Amino acid sequence: GENVEQHPSTLSVQEGDSAVIKCTYSDSASNYFPWYKQELGKRPQLIIDIRSNVGEKKDQRIAVTLNKTAKHFSLHITETQPEDSAVYFCAARGPNTGNQFYFGTGTSLTVIP
Amino acid sequence: GAVVSQHPSRVICKSGTSVKIECRSLDFQATTMFWYRQFPKQSLMLMATSNEGSKATYEQGVEKDKFLINHASLTLSTLTVTSAHPEDSSFYICSARGVSGVSYNEQFFGPGTRLTVL
Repeated sequence: GENVEQHPSTLSVQEGDSAVIKCTYSDSASNYFPWYKQELGKRPQLIIDIRSNVGEKKDQRIAVTLNKTAKHFSLHITETQPEDSAVYFCAARGPNTGNQFYFGTGTSLTVIP
Repeated sequence: GAVVSQHPSRVICKSGTSVKIECRSLDFQATTMFWYRQFPKQSLMLMATSNEGSKATYEQGVEKDKFLINHASLTLSTLTVTSAHPEDSSFYICSARGVSGVSYNEQFFGPGTRLTVL
């Protein structure tokens, strides 16, 4: 099955700096990679996603890059703000995973004012 | 957008009792719903996948007789934790995937249920 690894597990940055979270996946057939943000005690919210036919996608301060050859994808948050503090999860899905998403282990991001 | 509700949001029960958690897709039909368990500061652990009108598929290590899942309609799935014990205390989250359109490609999460077994 698919195996998704995520690093780092914790990340602290100064407000205004950039944050980068990286994930790797094992199944080369996986073709959909969403990123979720989860605030304490709340549901995960989709913040951005990328499909395997695209190398990069950007939405304001958030961007995701995908390297299919290396089987890794990354989340980039620029000009971080305190409200960006949360746990971020990457996930992968593809024809070999059925309907399932395989989640990374999460990154706890703290933005220091 | 696609909205998923979950009820109850919190439940406290005595050891040995059963607890039912409902997951509803409010504005779309969900062919597939997923049940996750999340421990503090940990990732989402998939427990089972339920498809409307058929038996749920459980992940390895998840007791299907303990965690009963029923997906009776395209908008409702239920998880029943039978004979709950303190080690079952956790945050349970459901998600739903729709029949078509935007909701087909994404998973939409419910707000979660905090279960505490005394």
